[in-house]
Amino acid sequence: AQTVTQSQPEMSVQEAETVTLSCTYDTSENNYYLFWYKQPPSRQMILVIRQEAYKQQNATENRFSVNFQKAAKSFSLKISDSQLGDTAMYFCAFMRPPGSQGNLIFGKGTKLSVKP
Amino acid sequence: DAGITQSPRHKVTETGTPVTLRCHQTENHRYMYWYRQDPGHGLRLIHYSYGVKDTDKGEVSDGYSVSRSKTEDFLLTLESATSSQTSVYFCAISESLADTQYFGPGTRLTVL
Repeated sequence: AQTVTQSQPEMSVQEAETVTLSCTYDTSENNYYLFWYKQPPSRQMILVIRQEAYKQQNATENRFSVNFQKAAKSFSLKISDSQLGDTAMYFCAFMRPPGSQGNLIFGKGTKLSVKP
Repeated sequence: DAGITQSPRHKVTETGTPVTLRCHQTENHRYMYWYRQDPGHGLRLIHYSYGVKDTDKGEVSDGYSVSRSKTEDFLLTLESATSSQTSVYFCAISESLADTQYFGPGTRLTVL
């Protein structure tokens, strides 16, 4: 069974600095998708970034980028120039390829606090 | 933002009563999902639907049933609510199994 592990329950960073959130996963699949979702205090789940496993290039989305290491089964999220609005829970998620049961496997989350 | 609404947004009920949560989408997406979120567990899939009247179980489906009579609506029913079903429930939608899932605002359910 696939599992997703986020080893940092809580992290904090100063405004304008860079922070990296860790995620590892376990799968025997070769094709799959990885995601980072953000959940601010409003509780809304917001997509941050998506990575296809067949793509070697790391995904980026403005201040958010990932370091995808397929062999190591690692998928970390880097937030540059942290802003107060980045304060949230961040969830790493793994999706099986099409044809499998279509669901996301979530990690338990990392609570990020951005301090002024 | 994807057009997904959930109702009610908050509900308090008593053990043993039936509860139905509604997810409504305006995106005409084929796939719809119900997750529950509990502290220390992240989100876990309850049931999902791959079309009208087509549904399947997720990893935590015991005690829940679903129905989808229209593309836009996906209902989650707790036939006899228990305190262990106190949780935050999220609906999600996607165009296909390979596409990103977009989430509704969530429903906080408390079973006393």
